[in-house]
Amino acid sequence: SQTIHQWPATLVQPVGSPLSLECTVEGTSNPNLYWYRQAAGRGLQLLFYSVGIGQISSEVPQNLSASRPQDRQFILSSKKLLLSDSGFYLCAWTPGGKSYEQYFGPGTRLTVT
Amino acid sequence: AQSVTQLGSHVSVSEGALVLLRCNYSSSVPPYLFWYVQYPNQGLQLLLKYTTGATLVKGINGFEAEFKKSETSFHLTKPSAHMSDAAEYFCAVSFMNRDDKIIFGKGTRLHILP
Repeated sequence: SQTIHQWPATLVQPVGSPLSLECTVEGTSNPNLYWYRQAAGRGLQLLFYSVGIGQISSEVPQNLSASRPQDRQFILSSKKLLLSDSGFYLCAWTPGGKSYEQYFGPGTRLTVT
Repeated sequence: AQSVTQLGSHVSVSEGALVLLRCNYSSSVPPYLFWYVQYPNQGLQLLLKYTTGATLVKGINGFEAEFKKSETSFHLTKPSAHMSDAAEYFCAVSFMNRDDKIIFGKGTRLHILP
């Protein structure tokens, strides 16, 4: 069966510090991968998605970036965090083909101080 | 443009009462429809989905939803609410495209009153 992991689970970082969040999927190959953010009291905002290694599409211009160095690994990064980057970050995957539902990881709670 | 609207950001029902969470979508092509549930500080969990075929879809935890094309709706129901149903619920729609993006509604927080 497929599983998705995210780490760390929680993170407190000062403004201006770098960020690296990691997401990995097990039990599947060539998934589509997604990064979302949930700010407090708000819905889901799609940040990035990837349909293959090295292929990243950005939905929202900001100081975040994403990379996909391996088939089942998706990384969210920032060189300098802003207060507004605080939120709950969710990684998701979909097997593609005729399956369109997305499966979500447990999330990372990021607090920028 | 495709969109999803969830009516009511907060819904309160008494334990044992009917749960009805409303979702409407707009689309120019046949949609795939989903309901997700999110408990505090957790990821989203798929409750049920409609792709093709039977328009009444049954999901986990006793929830079901009915796709009504004429009303462009996909409302979520449960006959009898349980305290453990308190969570946030997201309706979502997807279309047959390569990037498999899903459009999510803004969510409805369900409160269960004792």
